[in-house]
Amino acid sequence: DSGVTQTPKHLITATGQRVTLRCSPRSGDLSVYWYQQSLDQGLQFLIQYYNGEERAKGNILERFSAQQFPDLHSELNLSSLELGDSALYFCASKDDRASGNTIYFGEGSWLTVV
Amino acid sequence: DAKTTQPPSMDCAEGRAANLPCNHSTISGNEYVYWYRQIHSQGPQYIIHGLKNNETNEMASLIITEDRKSSTLILPHATLRDTAVYYCIVERDSGYALNFGKGTSLLVTP
Repeated sequence: DSGVTQTPKHLITATGQRVTLRCSPRSGDLSVYWYQQSLDQGLQFLIQYYNGEERAKGNILERFSAQQFPDLHSELNLSSLELGDSALYFCASKDDRASGNTIYFGEGSWLTVV
Repeated sequence: DAKTTQPPSMDCAEGRAANLPCNHSTISGNEYVYWYRQIHSQGPQYIIHGLKNNETNEMASLIITEDRKSSTLILPHATLRDTAVYYCIVERDSGYALNFGKGTSLLVTP
């Protein structure tokens, strides 16, 4: 158990809909990262937040957005969903107290768009 | 440009040591080497990381060459549950995201 909690674990929705994925980082971790993993792609970094502020953007589509709240949990919002958005979405948090850039992943949210 | 090069796949017999190589010939002095693994569709799992010195923990050992241009992850006694994709990543201690490449798919056989 990494200590990173993601909900829901599985989600099926229709094209055009909007969903919200939730992540609770490890206790005390200030950084949250979102990654996407689809069948034909590897782990793709989407976006990072640090203590409530956006810190870095990766391959995140304009239809996707995220935020980090004062209690440090984060949400990834996916809108106008397309079939190609079906993927595993991982959240990770960083141990800021340790050396290096070690991040710890949750178990992911499976999104299926039908 | 990929910072690391790993073989796409490897096999290892159960109970034997699994030695997974990684080439990072363009590594900078302030960049760490990280190893993660992902067991099918689970969240990537942190294994170990190092800067210059060899490192060991309860999961594995990390051997970094003196010139830091390559490293080897050693699983001393591989089990079937070690079958996974292993990722070698090079990144600064910057707080920025780790970029995962394609990794090495390790198959541990009975």
